Amino acid sequence: DVKVTQSSRYLVKRTGEKVFLECVQDMDHENMFWYRQDPGLGLRLIYFSYDVKMKEKGDIPEGYSVSREKKERFSLILESASTNQTSMYLCASSLPPNQPQHFGDGTRLSIL
Amino acid sequence: QQPVQSPQAVILREGEDAVINCSSSKALYSVHWYRQKHGEAPVFLMILLKGGEQKGHDKISASFNEKKQQSSLYLTASQLSYSGTYFCGTEGAQKLVFGQGTRLTINP
Repeated sequence: DVKVTQSSRYLVKRTGEKVFLECVQDMDHENMFWYRQDPGLGLRLIYFSYDVKMKEKGDIPEGYSVSREKKERFSLILESASTNQTSMYLCASSLPPNQPQHFGDGTRLSIL
Repeated sequence: QQPVQSPQAVILREGEDAVINCSSSKALYSVHWYRQKHGEAPVFLMILLKGGEQKGHDKISASFNEKKQQSSLYLTASQLSYSGTYFCGTEGAQKLVFGQGTRLTINP
């Protein structure tokens, strides 16, 4: 079974802090994704990567950046956290092109 | 552009049927369906890859109407375990665009 592991289930940070969310997958998937989930808005894509060191903006990239130095690891970075970034963050991975996505359990991030 | 799901929420009694629709303003090449139970990760249900394709397992099936740019998910004789939020995802370049979700509640 594919395992996608997110480093924290719950995280509380302060406004202005730099926040790192880590995601690791164990199935050698080329594609990795970061989503944000808010009530009534569904899953919105922040960034995705289809190869090491490659990244593409999703629908809501403002205020975020990503890093993919190794195939199995995809990090989401909030450069200067703000309260409107309080949300559930989900990481996913898949084989190309557009094969089923496997999701991590999510990180519920609160920015105070 | 985000696909539109309808209804936004539905409440059923165990054994009743449900239909969830997913419509797009853009041409569809494939549609994914996922279910997310409360507090858990979304889980893949099925992909429909061609216009007119229908798929299913157990009592959950789906259809894909390329001309109408929509897909429908059918849950027959619903079970308590079907409760959760259902998402459709439409294919873009190496990525999916998900709908806003449909919350399905099954009561005994």
